[in-house]
Amino acid sequence: AQKITQTQPGMFVQEKEAVTLDCTYDTSDPSYGLFWYKQPSSGEMIFLIYQGSYDQQNATEGRYSLNFQKARKSANLVISASQLGDSAMYFCAMREDNYGQNFVFGPGTRLSVLP
Amino acid sequence: GAVVSQHPSWVICKSGTSVKIECRSLDFQATTMFWYRQFPKQSLMLMATSNEGSKATYEQGVEKDKFLINHASLTLSTLTVTSAHPEDSSFYICSARERSENRGSRDYGYTFGSGTRLTVV
Repeated sequence: AQKITQTQPGMFVQEKEAVTLDCTYDTSDPSYGLFWYKQPSSGEMIFLIYQGSYDQQNATEGRYSLNFQKARKSANLVISASQLGDSAMYFCAMREDNYGQNFVFGPGTRLSVLP
Repeated sequence: GAVVSQHPSWVICKSGTSVKIECRSLDFQATTMFWYRQFPKQSLMLMATSNEGSKATYEQGVEKDKFLINHASLTLSTLTVTSAHPEDSSFYICSARERSENRGSRDYGYTFGSGTRLTVV
């Protein structure tokens, strides 16, 4: 079974509007971390935001916030006030702290911001 | 912040030749290095995990004799694609874990290189 699911292969959003990118995960490890990365066409992986499984509050980082619903095993990324430079691939990833500690990436969502 | 320098950023080689990709942690000691491969329009797939001074652990389906990984020091790991073929053309990217996770760092102990785009002709 896939550990990370991103059901939106592509998303469009109007500049200055907010957009939510979906991510659901599957793990039996009680301790894990959830990450979002942005990958522009240049290929680099840019860290956006992190949520620990024991964190009580949703993570926020500037225009990025993570809607963490532990019972539903979802970790959606919300980008507020979209900018043209936000157009990129976005990957949700999970690190299971007790099972190897490597990242498992979702299939990604391509976000296109329209002027 | 932590930086991982990955070289080359792109390389074109002839079929049958070998290519070496380097990942170097510039300002921290990387106890563990992860190597990923990404085919066009696909996600990152873990190839192998290497710990300094020990043999790499390869994921199922990854040929260890074809993808040689060396992690001889705490700041340098290399991936050598031996006898490359066109089907090895891909984007390769490394990720390093710091010796002691600094919870103050934005990457929470993991830093990615900038990637290497390999084209085998």
